[in-house]
Amino acid sequence: QKEVEQDPGPLSVPEGAIVSLNCTYSNSAFQYFMWYRQYSRKGPELLMYTYSSGNKEDGRFTAQVDKSSKYISLFIRDSQPSDSATYLCASGSGAGGTSYGKLTFGQGTILTVHP
Amino acid sequence: NAGVTQTPKFRILKIGQSMTLQCTQDMNHNYMYWYRQDPGMGLKLIYYSVGAGITDKGEVPNGYNVSRSTTEDFPLRLELAAPSQTSVYFCASSSTRQSYGYTFGSGTRLTVV
Repeated sequence: QKEVEQDPGPLSVPEGAIVSLNCTYSNSAFQYFMWYRQYSRKGPELLMYTYSSGNKEDGRFTAQVDKSSKYISLFIRDSQPSDSATYLCASGSGAGGTSYGKLTFGQGTILTVHP
Repeated sequence: NAGVTQTPKFRILKIGQSMTLQCTQDMNHNYMYWYRQDPGMGLKLIYYSVGAGITDKGEVPNGYNVSRSTTEDFPLRLELAAPSQTSVYFCASSSTRQSYGYTFGSGTRLTVV
């Protein structure tokens, strides 16, 4: 079993739709949960970060973590064509101890938002 | 504010050739990482470093070597290139003071023929 599993998609939605992207993880030591956005032929960029369980909102984006079920979600409201990208979930134990900030990534979901 | 700089952006290698992928960061980050990205497979950790002179293997280190002589630079060496090393390679860095988030470079797209 992979430590982080991501719904592979791809997803194609109309502009204005609500998008739900999901991951599960298996390592109970993971405390930090991130979403990265990667445009075609570019490096990933950090989109959202959450520590432990809970929700975090930033504009049209909401990240949710449920540690009891080991489930990670990203919601995009009022999706725009500019949101078309690959979205990667990532988890890690932090910079302390022997984890050295290493992150484990999901496989990525390709999202297309069409006008 | 350059962040993480990777060179070259593209390279075609013949089987058995060697090359070094360069990575430089200007944020004074202690932690640096090399990942490879294959279609539908996400990012796999090759090697990482927690500071100058300290490196360790990640999930997929075979066929690669690294060194870290300075805080800024973390080159990745491919010896005896094989078609299985065809991939996109990303270098990333992070600060020990933040337990979240990497800054990624723009990647090196490598094809081995």
